[in-house]
Amino acid sequence: AQKITQTQPGMFVQEKEAVTLDCTYDTSDQSYGLFWYKQPSSGEMIFLIYQGSYDEQNATEGRYSLNFQKARKSANLVISASQLGDSAMYFCAMRDPLTGTASKLTFGTGTRLQVTL
Amino acid sequence: KAGVTQTPRYLIKTRGQQVTLSCSPISGHRSVSWYQQTPGQGLQFLFEYFSETQRNKGNFPGRFSGRQFSNSRSEMNVSTLELGDSALYLCASSLEGGTTDTQYFGPGTRLTVL
Repeated sequence: AQKITQTQPGMFVQEKEAVTLDCTYDTSDQSYGLFWYKQPSSGEMIFLIYQGSYDEQNATEGRYSLNFQKARKSANLVISASQLGDSAMYFCAMRDPLTGTASKLTFGTGTRLQVTL
Repeated sequence: KAGVTQTPRYLIKTRGQQVTLSCSPISGHRSVSWYQQTPGQGLQFLFEYFSETQRNKGNFPGRFSGRQFSNSRSEMNVSTLELGDSALYLCASSLEGGTTDTQYFGPGTRLTVL
């Protein structure tokens, strides 16, 4: 079964600095998709970025980029120029390779990011 | 375009009761998935509906059920509530639920079972 590991329960970063949130995954499938979501205290999960296993370039979406290292099975999220509004829980997730759809996601345990002045 | 909406946002029930949660997907989205989030178990997949049919199911007891209507709106029902059912229930929609489709989540329904 696939597994997502996020080893950083909590992280602090100063405003305007960059921060990397770690995510490693375990799957025997060759085709898979990786997602990052942000969950503010309100509870809603906000989609940030997607990386497909066959994508040759790292995904980027505004201030978010995904450092995808396939051989090491890691998909770290990089947030540049942190803002106070970035304070939230961040979840790494993987599409279930068995069902082959994006609708069944396996999530990591999350990293709580706190942006300070 | 309006996002995923969930009603109610908060719910308090007692053990043994049943509850129905509602989810309206983004317009045009046909796949609706449900997740349970608890501090102990994290985020766990409940089930997915597409074209009024359950297409995927997680490892939850039969007390958890759902359905989808022709307009893609979905409901999930939990019967004979237990204290452990207290959780944030998140609904997500995507176009077709395909391999690269992105799931967009609603604000969740926070259920408390007393």
